[in-house]
Amino acid sequence: KAGVTQTPRYLIKTRGQQVTLSCSPISGHRSVSWYQQTPGQGLQFLFEYFSETQRNKGNFPGRFSGRQFSNSRSEMNVSTLELGDSALYLCASSSGDTQYFGPGTRLTVL
Amino acid sequence: AQKVTQAQTEISVVEKEDVTLDCVYETRDTTYYLFWYKQPPSGELVFLIRRNSFDEQNEISGRYSWNFQKSTSSFNFTITASQVVDSAVYFCALSGGETSGSRLTFGEGTQLTVNP
Repeated sequence: KAGVTQTPRYLIKTRGQQVTLSCSPISGHRSVSWYQQTPGQGLQFLFEYFSETQRNKGNFPGRFSGRQFSNSRSEMNVSTLELGDSALYLCASSSGDTQYFGPGTRLTVL
Repeated sequence: AQKVTQAQTEISVVEKEDVTLDCVYETRDTTYYLFWYKQPPSGELVFLIRRNSFDEQNEISGRYSWNFQKSTSSFNFTITASQVVDSAVYFCALSGGETSGSRLTFGEGTQLTVNP
């Protein structure tokens, strides 16, 4: 089976812009979760989607949003980018209790 | 709230040495899962092992073994005969239970460097 894929792998944006990241889960997996990784805060949970519904949400401002499509693919959006949003954004898919991660999207905000 | 602590920030060993990574967790849930993930320089988190809270049997899988002790809330991970390719950041994580569902709570990570 193909693993979790994320696009794009690298992204450079400027403050105030908005960005959309994409994640394709492992075939058959219906749950997709997103995490942010920064040197200062470590790995933090953003949100989880299951069958197109947000099932769980972390402690992030409303600028961070996501959605899931009927084919389980997911997107996350960050509006009005801030310098502190520079991070590695990791997507994970699961069909049970274990989450399998993609390679991540490295976002740099200038 | 759930919490995972990895007290070792960095560990450096010479190839073929055994190395143990420590993990201590806090949770009020009675049912939960514990994980170890590896993050090489490429950035992708690679799943290594999973244990559930009601199974304290310790196992060995190849060069990997783990020691789960519920009484001390610890879930330590050992690599036997380390290799240079084992160099990576290792994360311990906790999920499941009534309070957090499937979200993973990660420790700070331990940077393991295996020198030739």
